[in-house]
Parts: sequence; structure tokens; C-alpha cells
Amino acid sequence: EPEVTQTPSHQVTQMGQEVILRCVPISNHLYFYWYRQILGQKVEFLVSFYNNEISEKSEIFDDQFSVERPDGSNFTLKIRSTKLEDSAMYFCASSEGGTGGGGNQPQHFGDGTRLSIL
Amino acid sequence: DQQVKQNSPSLSVQEGRISILNCDYTNSMFDYFLWYKKYPAEGPTFLISISSIKDKNEDGRFTVFLNKSAKHLSLHIVPSQPGDSAVYFCAASESHTGNQFYFGTGTSLTVIP
Repeated sequence: EPEVTQTPSHQVTQMGQEVILRCVPISNHLYFYWYRQILGQKVEFLVSFYNNEISEKSEIFDDQFSVERPDGSNFTLKIRSTKLEDSAMYFCASSEGGTGGGGNQPQHFGDGTRLSIL
Repeated sequence: DQQVKQNSPSLSVQEGRISILNCDYTNSMFDYFLWYKKYPAEGPTFLISISSIKDKNEDGRFTVFLNKSAKHLSLHIVPSQPGDSAVYFCAASESHTGNQFYFGTGTSLTVIP
């Protein structure tokens, strides 16, 4: 069964540094997402991406964050000038297209990248 | 703003019995709901979904019930198996306007052999 893959599984970064989290979504999927889960808290939506542009973003996704699909397979989340509170699990997800614009399709998640900011 | 709530952080059930996990939501515009299962060190795995035009959807041992008037959905697992032990998340979206999903805080299910 096709799956979403994320690298690295664990990233340790000094506060203030930039970090790039990488994801390879399922190949025929059209919608791509990033979520984060701070330890002990709920999974929080960050951003959705479709047709090479951001389709929705939450209030968490401020100017510190950016996403890119640099080629036909990778989907990246860049965090500039990381802060201690950015420490979390970051999940990438993808879903098929559909008449509902992705909002009525189940999302398939990767196993996440644990980001630790020191 | 907690739009999706799972008020039971944990649940223990004997193997073979029914597990019922509950989820409440506050946004009446939500029209698509999902349940995910999550094992430690893995991402959430999609289990089952339901559209607001239905009140029940069944897939094998898993059934999701939706009560729109109460803004409540539940996941029934029958019969429960030890391999079902995991954290279960419900999620919801306003599919007609966008693709942002809101997750609950999760319920940790333990199925006792």
C-alpha cells in the first residue's frame, strides 16, 4: 500500500536556526498538508497545499513558516529562526482530489518528524 | 478554541466486548467527520469517515454514528481486540468551504486480553 514518507524521523536544531522538514506524499494525491502535535496536546492543522499554492493556513502558520513543492514528489516545510516552542511532532499528510476540494477526503499521514529545539 | 472535543482521555475494555469512543463538536457547519487510530511513534491511520448526510457508516468491526442535532459522533468497535489498543482521534471539516481539519485531543483505548 502506498504511504507518505517523512524525513528525518528526528531533527535536533539550535534555537534561531532554520530547519527543513521533508515529505514525499502518495504519488497520485493532489492535496498536501502539514500538522503539528506538541507533546500531550492535540494534532493541529498548519497548512494545506494544492495546485502549487497554499489553499488554507491556520493562525499558527505565520511568517516563520513556509511550504514548497520543489519537484513532482517532495513537499517541504521550512521553519525560519526556530523557537523553543516549535518543538513538536510534525506530520505530513496527503489526500486525493475530489469534488469537495480535499475537505471530504481522508488524509493519509506519514509517521512524523520529531523536532527538538535546544 | 476547541471545536472538536474528546472528553474521555482513556478507556479500558475487555477483549471481545464493545468499545465506544465519543466525540463532540461545536461548529454546526462541519459536514465531514473521520476517525483515526494512532500507535506510538507512528502517524495517524485513517479508520472510517462519515458525511453529514448520513447518520451511520459501517466498515467491518468499526461503525461510526453521527447525531447532528446533538453535535455528537461515536465510534463503536465490536468485538474489541488487543491490537485495537491505540489512541483514537476524531476529526472534522467544513468540506464545502475548505480542507482544514480539526482534531480532538484523542482517547487512549486499552483492550485487555
